[in-house]
Amino acid sequence: GAVVSQHPSWVICKSGTSVKIECRSLDFQATTMFWYRQFPKQSLMLMATSNEGSKATYEQGVEKDKFLINHASLTLSTLTVTSAHPEDSSFYICSVRKQTDTQYFGPGTRLTVL
Amino acid sequence: GDSVTQMEGPVTLSEEAFLTINCTYTATGYPSLFWYVQYPGEGLQLLLKATKADDKGSNKGFEATYRKETTSFHLEKGSVQVSDSAVYFCALTQRNTGGFKTIFGAGTRLFVKA
Repeated sequence: GAVVSQHPSWVICKSGTSVKIECRSLDFQATTMFWYRQFPKQSLMLMATSNEGSKATYEQGVEKDKFLINHASLTLSTLTVTSAHPEDSSFYICSVRKQTDTQYFGPGTRLTVL
Repeated sequence: GDSVTQMEGPVTLSEEAFLTINCTYTATGYPSLFWYVQYPGEGLQLLLKATKADDKGSNKGFEATYRKETTSFHLEKGSVQVSDSAVYFCALTQRNTGGFKTIFGAGTRLFVKA
């Protein structure tokens, strides 16, 4: 498999502030990482595909100016939620694709915006 | 478009009972099929996978067979344990023009009582 970490595991912030979430591939150089959002008791929704050294590809309906993604190295991708609001509260999960069709997920980051 | 449908939960079983969680899919081409498991407060973990018709994926006593004729990938376990309590996601991964894309089912929550 592949080992993926996320930091922080949980964060509480005030409305209007920005929050950065890190996703690290610890044992694998990942040219592509994925960011998902999961609402309580719901499935995962793909937000964007993070490509090392280039711009992320966002899914339809996801605001790229609100959810900034930076994939500066083969082991690190960051998701910044800018000017967060309570409706952005969610569980954010990243993943890497090591083989052609198998994903390995991070443990997730729970964001609560007050 | 591609889709995954799995049985609604929650499913509540007694320890050592037989488990079936139904999953059917709609896809063009020949997707790979997966079952992921999510324990409380954690990200998803790959449970098993199958990449072509009639393949059987198995892990930790769980099994699922890729049935192209019925477009199904039902998850089974002969004797569940309390530690199997989690949310189970059926998913397919398909190659498209932009690379690989994964579609998740809505998830089925399993409670196992001692």
